[in-house]
Amino acid sequence: SFVLTQPPSVSVAPGKTARITCGGDNIGSNPVHWYQQRPGQAPVVVIHYDRDRPSGIPERFSGSKSGNTATLTISRVEAGDEADFYCQVWDSNTDHPVFGGGTKVTVL
Amino acid sequence: QVHLVESGGGLVKPGGSLRLSCAASGFPFSDSYMSWIRQAPGKGLEWVSYISLSGNVIFYADSVRGRFTISRENAKKSLYLQMNSLRAEDTALYYCAHLTSGVGEGTFDIWGQGTVVTVSS
Repeated sequence: SFVLTQPPSVSVAPGKTARITCGGDNIGSNPVHWYQQRPGQAPVVVIHYDRDRPSGIPERFSGSKSGNTATLTISRVEAGDEADFYCQVWDSNTDHPVFGGGTKVTVL
Repeated sequence: QVHLVESGGGLVKPGGSLRLSCAASGFPFSDSYMSWIRQAPGKGLEWVSYISLSGNVIFYADSVRGRFTISRENAKKSLYLQMNSLRAEDTALYYCAHLTSGVGEGTFDIWGQGTVVTVSS
């Protein structure tokens, strides 16, 4: 079955840039969505369709994709960005949505 | 104000049943694909099931197919998940979520706060 691979954790100093990758077969041909889940809260979409930001999401969040790897970039990281981040893609063979394993972003 | 409110979670013994409900408000529920997504304690997100506008298209994750049944009542703006033959590995926080567009590309843009299901003897 379709698997999305994310690094378990990323640590970044305040004001620096965090990059979270999401790899998987066929990512290149399917839109990637990214969710932020702060502790004790429900997930929120921060990037959809590879690189688009929903309204209300700071410009510090950006998305990109190259080949079978998508990347969520958080610029000028703030303490409030500390959260778990998940990528999500649809498996076109099964019509099932698939989530990556999640990446915990720690602000040092 | 857009809202999804789940209810019905609780403690149940292995092999038991539970029915979750999700009440929607603030958006056109009858025009929306809806889904259940769960999160085991300390783990990541796992999609469980989704249902189309009228309920004629339904998909399940392999881990729950044959045991869980998703349904909806558009007149009541409600989504349901009937869970039978529950196992310890079904223990999780269950979220109700709105899917922005049809199958194959949409995002889960509205989430409830979840309801906790614990399967234990």
